Amino acid sequence: ELKVEQNPLFLSMQEGKNYTIYCNYSTTSDRLYWYRQDPGKSLESLFVLLSNGAVKQEGRLMASLDTKARLSTLHITAAVHDLSATYFCAVDFNDYKLSFGAGTTVTVRA
Amino acid sequence: GAGVSQSPRYKVAKRGQDVALRCDPISGHVSLFWYQQALGQGPEFLTYFQNEAQLDKSGLPSDRFFAERPEGSVSTLKIQRTQQEDSAVYLCASSSVDEQYFGPGTRLTVT
Repeated sequence: ELKVEQNPLFLSMQEGKNYTIYCNYSTTSDRLYWYRQDPGKSLESLFVLLSNGAVKQEGRLMASLDTKARLSTLHITAAVHDLSATYFCAVDFNDYKLSFGAGTTVTVRA
Repeated sequence: GAGVSQSPRYKVAKRGQDVALRCDPISGHVSLFWYQQALGQGPEFLTYFQNEAQLDKSGLPSDRFFAERPEGSVSTLKIQRTQQEDSAVYLCASSSVDEQYFGPGTRLTVT
C-alpha cells in the first residue's frame, strides 16, 4: 500500500526558532515534492526533489531527500509569521500521480 | 504567463443535481490531473490524462464521476446526482516534465 506520512500534523512555532517537518513514505520513489497551501488557496510549489541526497533551499526553508530511508525533511530556520500555512509533501510513486501526506499546519507566534 | 485556471471557483449544488467543473491547463502541457481535497486533508488523485487519452481513472470514487479532455486541452470533470459526500475542493493540475502546477480549485458544496 502506498502511504505518505507527515509529522507533526500541527506545529506551533515561536518566531526566530528552528523547526523540522518530516515526511516518510512506504515504497521506493526518488521524486518528492513540497507544497504550501494558505487557507482557501491552491497549492504553491516549494521544492522538487528528484534524486537521493537532493537538497534545496529557498529563503528560510530547506528540503532534503533520503530515498534509502524513504524520508524527506523540510527545515525551517528562524520562523517568521509569513510562514504560517499548511505544508504538504507529495510522492510520485509511478511517474505521474502524486500521493499526498495529510499536511502539517504551521502557526507562527510572536 | 497564465497558469492553470478553473471555473467556477465556487459551486453550490442541491443533492441530486449534476455539476460540471472546467479546467484550462497551461498551454502546451500534455498531462492533466484532477484531485479531490476534502476539508482538512491532503489532495487525493482522481484521474489523469495524457493529451486526450484518459490513462488512469482509478481514483474516481464512483461511476457518478466522469472526466473528459476531448481535444487534449480543456478538461471537464462531471459529477452526476451529487451527494453530500462529494463536497470538497476539486483541484486541477497540469504538468510539463517534472512538476505539476495546480489551479485555484473549485469548491463544491452539496446541500
